[in-house]
Amino acid sequence: LAKTTQPISMDSYEGQEVNITCSHNNIATNDYITWYQQFPSQGPRFIIQGYKTKVTNEVASLFIPADRKSSTLSLPRVSLSDTAVYYCLVGPFTGGGNKLTFGTGTQLKVEL
Amino acid sequence: DTEVTQTPKHLVMGMTNKKSLKCEQHMGHRAMYWYKQKAKKPPELMFVYSYEKLSINESVPSRFSPECPNSSLLNLHLHALQPEDSALYLCASSLPQGNSPLHFGNGTRLTVT
Repeated sequence: LAKTTQPISMDSYEGQEVNITCSHNNIATNDYITWYQQFPSQGPRFIIQGYKTKVTNEVASLFIPADRKSSTLSLPRVSLSDTAVYYCLVGPFTGGGNKLTFGTGTQLKVEL
Repeated sequence: DTEVTQTPKHLVMGMTNKKSLKCEQHMGHRAMYWYKQKAKKPPELMFVYSYEKLSINESVPSRFSPECPNSSLLNLHLHALQPEDSALYLCASSLPQGNSPLHFGNGTRLTVT
């Protein structure tokens, strides 16, 4: 299973764009990259998922280079409410019931 | 609010007690998961059920006993726990097909005294 490495913490200000990079050097061919957000005392919440190139939804973008050994979560114009832990997960595209392991996560702190 | 409901929200139990954590979802998901999360640590996978059958057990001690009575329900039976088992226990579910994201409940905060 691919192991992920993320920065432990990042600081930003409201209105800024935040980019969080995740390294996954031994990603397998059938692995997808998924990002979750977690607030204190709540379960993680799905943000975005991708396999290659770029994926965008209403809250974030995910950039994946051709070699897929890293990925970058981009949060445009963050606000105080984006203060949370962000996890990058890499797991197999082989059906439900996958062994999805969380990395250490990145604590994002957004200030005024 | 989440679509995965966990009860109770908080639980305090002694080391000799037997208790159960419950998880319910009505999204038609056929994969269900138990994770354990200690303070300021990432969630750790404990068990995975796929189509009501246990498919993954991450070498969890036998004092934790999972049960999936039907496609909507997931239980975690607790017996003879230790204080170090105190944690946030998270339930999640996903569609049976590949790369389906996990949907998490907000967890049960367990304290073992």
